[in-house]
Amino acid sequence: AQSVAQPEDQVNVAEGNPLTVKCTYSVSGNPYLFWYVQYPNRGLQFLLKYITGDNLVKGSYGFEAEFNKSQTSFHLKKPSALVSDSALYFCAVSPLDSSYKLIFGSGTRLLVRP
Amino acid sequence: DADVTQTPRNRITKTGKRIMLECSQTKGHDRMYWYRQDPGLGLRLIYYSFDVKDINKGEISDGYSVSRQAQAKFSLSLESAIPNQTALYFCATSESGTLQQYFGPGTRLTVT
Repeated sequence: AQSVAQPEDQVNVAEGNPLTVKCTYSVSGNPYLFWYVQYPNRGLQFLLKYITGDNLVKGSYGFEAEFNKSQTSFHLKKPSALVSDSALYFCAVSPLDSSYKLIFGSGTRLLVRP
Repeated sequence: DADVTQTPRNRITKTGKRIMLECSQTKGHDRMYWYRQDPGLGLRLIYYSFDVKDINKGEISDGYSVSRQAQAKFSLSLESAIPNQTALYFCATSESGTLQQYFGPGTRLTVT
C-alpha cells in the first residue's frame, strides 16, 4: 500500500537552532514529493516540491528538503528556526499514476520556543 | 489562498441532517478536490474532479456525495450527517497536468 509516514507528532526546537522534520514514504516508482505548512485557522500552504534532479530542494521561508532515494525519505530542514515557523507540517507524495492524487502524512507539529 | 474560498467556515449540525459545504475558486483550475482532516490522520481524500463531467471517489467517499456545478464550483454533501464526520474539511484545486494543489481555508464541521 502507498503511504507516507511522519514519525514525530511534535518537534521542539529553540529559536536560532537548526530544525528537521522527518518524512518517509512507501510508493512504487519515482514519486513526486511535497511539503505543506498549515498555520492556525488557515488552509495548507505549499512549501516546496521534489520532481527530479538535485536531491536538495529549496523552498519558501528558508526551508529546504533533502531527497534520499535509498532511504525513501524526504526530510524538511531549516538552518535557523524562527518562532514564526511554529505550525503543522505535512509531507505528501504523488505516486505518478494517472490520478494526480496526493497522499498525505499525518502531520508534525513544529514548536519553536524563543 | 484567497483564490479558493469555502463556505461556511464553521458549522454545527445534528445527526441525520443533510448538509452541503461549498467551494469556489477563481484560479481557473480544472481540477478540484475535497479532503477531510482529522487529528493524527493527516488529510484524506474524499472525492476529486478533473472537470465538470469527471468525478471520482477518493479513499473515504462513503457517506459523502459531490456536485461539480461549474468549473469554479465543487460542493460536498453529507446526506445524513453522523458524529464521526466531525472534522475539518478542505477544498483544493490544481491545474491540469500539474500536481501542486492550492487549498481553501477549511470548514470546521461538528455533528452532534
